[in-house]
Amino acid sequence: GNSVTQMEGPVTLSEEAFLTINCTYTATGYPSLFWYVQYPGEGLQLLLKATKADDKGSNKGFEATYRKETTSFHLEKGSVQVSDSAVYFCALRNSGGSNYKLTFGKGTLLTVNP
Amino acid sequence: GAVVSQHPSRVICKSGTSVKIECRSLDFQATTMFWYRQFPKQSLMLMATSNEGSKATYEQGVEKDKFLINHASLTLSTLTVTSAHPEDSSFYICSATGQGDLDWETQYFGPGTRLLVL
Repeated sequence: GNSVTQMEGPVTLSEEAFLTINCTYTATGYPSLFWYVQYPGEGLQLLLKATKADDKGSNKGFEATYRKETTSFHLEKGSVQVSDSAVYFCALRNSGGSNYKLTFGKGTLLTVNP
Repeated sequence: GAVVSQHPSRVICKSGTSVKIECRSLDFQATTMFWYRQFPKQSLMLMATSNEGSKATYEQGVEKDKFLINHASLTLSTLTVTSAHPEDSSFYICSATGQGDLDWETQYFGPGTRLLVL
């Protein structure tokens, strides 16, 4: 079956620090990989995605590269801001058919202090 | 674009009563809607997937008679928790996928509904 494992939080950083949130996955076939972000009091929203090996997804200064050899999709940002404080979810959607189901990791709470 | 709303945002009910939660896609037609349950410090657990006009597909272990899902139109899905009990207290989240200009693979999430059963 499909599964996503991401580093447990909470993660607390100072503004302008470098961020890495690890994510590894198990899936049959060739999944698409996603990072979703949930800001306080809001619903989840797509941050970035990658659909095939070696693809790099990027948005708002965040990046993640689809690494098939290590089954990983780690999220990185070079300089975090207070406004990046949120819960980050790694997710996958397995390929094939019209199955749009997502499998999520447990989420990582990031707090950025000024 | 691609906004999903949920109503109510928070509900408290007595044990044994039923509660209905609405999920609406405000500016797009939702081909598929999903209902999730989220426990504190845990991931989102998919409960069911529904397509407009057809019966919902429930995940293993989810009681379809307890969690009734109706997807009557391309912009509205409802989740009814029947005969609610304290163990049903949770955060319920819906999402939707669209078509046309929207990325078919992206799910657009509502803000969630906090249910507390006393």
